Amino acid sequence: GAVVSQHPSWVICKSGTSVKIECRSLDFQATTMFWYRQFPKQSLMLMATSNEGSKATYEQGVEKDKFLINHASLTLSTLTVTSAHPEDSSFYICSVADERAYNEQFFGPGTRLTVL
Amino acid sequence: KQEVTQIPAALSVPEGENLVLNCSFTDSAIYNLQWFRQDPGKGLTSLLLIQSSQREQTSGRLNASLDKSSGRSTLYIAASQPGDSATYLCAVQSISNFGNEKLTFGTGTRLTIIP
Repeated sequence: GAVVSQHPSWVICKSGTSVKIECRSLDFQATTMFWYRQFPKQSLMLMATSNEGSKATYEQGVEKDKFLINHASLTLSTLTVTSAHPEDSSFYICSVADERAYNEQFFGPGTRLTVL
Repeated sequence: KQEVTQIPAALSVPEGENLVLNCSFTDSAIYNLQWFRQDPGKGLTSLLLIQSSQREQTSGRLNASLDKSSGRSTLYIAASQPGDSATYLCAVQSISNFGNEKLTFGTGTRLTIIP
C-alpha cells in the first residue's frame, strides 16, 4: 500500500503561534489527501479533504480560516494551525486515497500537537 | 448522517483464542469498509478493505466479513497473539454531503491479548 509520512511527529508551541504540519505521499502521486483529528480516547474525526490544485473541502464545524490546508503538489499537503490555543492540542493524522487500490486509505504516523 | 458503532469497546482474551470484533453502520450506501489497527500514540495501519460488492476478505489470521444490507461487519482474528493487542477501528467509505468520498470511523475496540 501507499507509504505516507508526516512531519513533525510532535510539536509543542505557545498559545497564539501558528504551526505547520506536513503530509507526504512517498511512493505515488496523491490527488486527494485527508486530514483527521483525534482527541484522547476518541476516534478519528475528518477535518477536511485536500485536493491537489484546488481549495480544500472542510467538514461541518471545522474553521477553514483556523486550519489552513494547502495541497500544492501531488506528494505534499500541509495543515497550518493558526493562532493555536490549548483546545487545539490533539493528534493530527493525514491519509491518502490510493486510486490504484479501490481508494483504500493509508495513514501517516500522526503529529502530536501540544499548545501551552 | 453515517454513524458507525463498534462492540465491544474493550476486550481481553487469553493468548491463542479466536475472537470476533463487531462493527455496525447506519447507512448501507457505502463504497467499501476498512479495518485498521492503531497502537498507542501511533497512526493507523490498514488491515483489510472490503468492497461493497464483496462479502469477505482474508489476510493471514484475519478475516473480515461484510453484510451491507444489514449494516454489519465482523473482524475475526484466529489464534490470537500478544502482538495483536491494539485498538481496532472500522471505517466505512461513502459520499459526503459535499460530493467527495469520506471515511467515517467507529469508536474502536481496545483489544488486549493476555499471555
